[in-house]
Amino acid sequence: QQKVQQSPESLSVPEGGMASLNCTSSDRNFQYFWWYRQHSGEGPKALMSIFSDGDKKEGRFTAHLNKASLHVSLHIRDSQPSDSALYFCAASEPGTGSNRLTFGKGTKFSLIP
Amino acid sequence: NSKVIQTPRYLVKGQGQKAKMRCIPEKGHPVVFWYQQNKNNEFKFLINFQNQEVLQQIDMTEKRFSAECPSNSPCSLEIQSSEAGDSALYLCASSPPPETLYFGSGTRLTVL
Repeated sequence: QQKVQQSPESLSVPEGGMASLNCTSSDRNFQYFWWYRQHSGEGPKALMSIFSDGDKKEGRFTAHLNKASLHVSLHIRDSQPSDSALYFCAASEPGTGSNRLTFGKGTKFSLIP
Repeated sequence: NSKVIQTPRYLVKGQGQKAKMRCIPEKGHPVVFWYQQNKNNEFKFLINFQNQEVLQQIDMTEKRFSAECPSNSPCSLEIQSSEAGDSALYLCASSPPPETLYFGSGTRLTVL
């Protein structure tokens, strides 16, 4: 069973629009979450991390974590062409010392021309 | 921009051949990871090191892969006998735990 599940598989919005990506963990040991973005031909780059319940905002990106339901979301406002990419949710167990990440299968995000 | 450097960018091997890729982690990051990303974009953790010592590795890595992270030299991941199913993007990442992993651009391996 996939321990980190993402939805939707793909998402398209018009330029300037808002998008919401979702992620749920089935493992209660996962307490730390990251969102990564991967453009074609590149390695993934960390967008933001979230470890506490509530919202965390960085520029046009806002992450929300609900630890009780192990649900984390990423909201993108004012979508730009450079936002078109694969978005991955990743989770880790605190206290393991190595920060090994488990990734979801990703959401393919694109702008409607 | 990530300062994790991976070489080569592309690698083509025949089945049964050895395939070796290298990674220079970001300076000051003691933990190094190798992940495999398949054609469906799924990530598989392979192995990680802390200060040259193996922390964790999966069974596949233990049996068919050879990896090391010596001090003052690039880290390396080598497949001893390549199989078609090994065709994938191999990603190296480094981290100052418990913080974010910083990935390189990867080595794309094609096994013919």
